Amino acid sequence: SQTIHQWPATLVQPVGSPLSLECTVEGTSNPNLYWYRQAAGRGLQLLFYSVGIGQISSEVPQNLSASRPQDRQFILSSKKLLLSDSGFYLCAGSQWPLGREQYFGPGTRLTVT
Amino acid sequence: AQKITQTQPGMFVQEKEAVTLDCTYDTSDPSYGLFWYKQPSSGEMIFLIYQGSYDQQNATEGRYSLNFQKARKSANLVISASQLGDSAMYFCAMSSGGSYIPTFGRGTSLIVHP
Repeated sequence: SQTIHQWPATLVQPVGSPLSLECTVEGTSNPNLYWYRQAAGRGLQLLFYSVGIGQISSEVPQNLSASRPQDRQFILSSKKLLLSDSGFYLCAGSQWPLGREQYFGPGTRLTVT
Repeated sequence: AQKITQTQPGMFVQEKEAVTLDCTYDTSDPSYGLFWYKQPSSGEMIFLIYQGSYDQQNATEGRYSLNFQKARKSANLVISASQLGDSAMYFCAMSSGGSYIPTFGRGTSLIVHP
């Protein structure tokens, strides 16, 4: 079965500092990968998704970027964090159009101060 | 376009009782999948149950069942014999056709009382 690893679990960063969140997938190859953000008590906002190495689609224009340097690695970055970047970041994978559900990592709680 | 609607922001249930969480969907694609996820306070998204649009029978996974009414475009989650550990946010989601992008509902907060 597929497993998503994310780190760190929590992160506190000052405004204007850079960000790098890493997500790796275990147990499958060629997954579709996703970055979501969730504000406290809210639903999931899709930020980026990728169907292959170097292929990134952005769903929301913002202060963030994503990269997929390897098949099972997905990185979320920012050059300068804003207060509004605070939230819970989830990495997910899927095998669509084959496979069924998305599988999620444990998430990273980011607080920008 | 696909759409998921969860109209219950919060639900309460007594321990050991059954509870139904509502979900309606909309899509013009005849091929789609419906999912339910549980998100406890720790934040991880836990997959619960899946229903395909061509599945003839309602999906069941242990204490979870999906009441799939295709004509009404509803996919309600039924949790039988609620436990304190069922207290969490529950999200309904769908993927349709060849889309790689799922649509999530806003979620329902379930609190199980002892």
